[in-house]
Amino acid sequence: NAGVTQTPKFQVLKTGQSMTLQCAQDMNHEYMSWYRQDPGMGLRLIHYSVGAGITDQGEVPNGYNVSRSTTEDFPLRLLSAAPSQTSVYFCAVGGGTEAFFGQGTRLTVV
Amino acid sequence: DAKTTQPPSMDCAEGRAANLPCNHSTISGNEYVYWYRQIHSQGPQYIIHGLKNNETNEMASLIITEDRKSSTLILPHATLRDTAVYYCIDALTNTGNQFYFGTGTSLTVIP
Repeated sequence: NAGVTQTPKFQVLKTGQSMTLQCAQDMNHEYMSWYRQDPGMGLRLIHYSVGAGITDQGEVPNGYNVSRSTTEDFPLRLLSAAPSQTSVYFCAVGGGTEAFFGQGTRLTVV
Repeated sequence: DAKTTQPPSMDCAEGRAANLPCNHSTISGNEYVYWYRQIHSQGPQYIIHGLKNNETNEMASLIITEDRKSSTLILPHATLRDTAVYYCIDALTNTGNQFYFGTGTSLTVIP
């Protein structure tokens, strides 16, 4: 979706490695969030932010860290990847009326 | 956990109206009803939302019962491109996009 950029699109990690999933927006919106989607499941909220400097945990926060130092960026950090974190990750921007989702990062942990 | 209940799958003939139901048994007074859809493995796409009144936009209509315990999303003339998983979500509007998705309804539009 225009205005929400997720990188990378695909990533393979070894168990125990760390990495950062990037999410950037150019809509100047306060709300940003991260979701994961496992096969055959709906999206589950990992962390969210209602503005720069403010973050909070969602439904499944364990194993992930976030920070929001700017309005534009909301990176998601995996500190020590585990096979259970194999999933598709979506960043969302906006809320209140409608949220715009990125195209996703497909992560495989082997 | 998701707070809404939807049928897992539905079929609809191309050109006919698709009516997708949702139960909101625990919706609170200030929560809105949102509908999103997900085509293949793309990011979800916003369709419509409402609080109490019925709503219509260029994509769909939303019917909410008076007690707000159920809603129906109506795609008036379904096309093959409407084949997707449709999610209904109860959410506040002022706490960020904290959406709790269920497994949704997989709609297949049949030629």
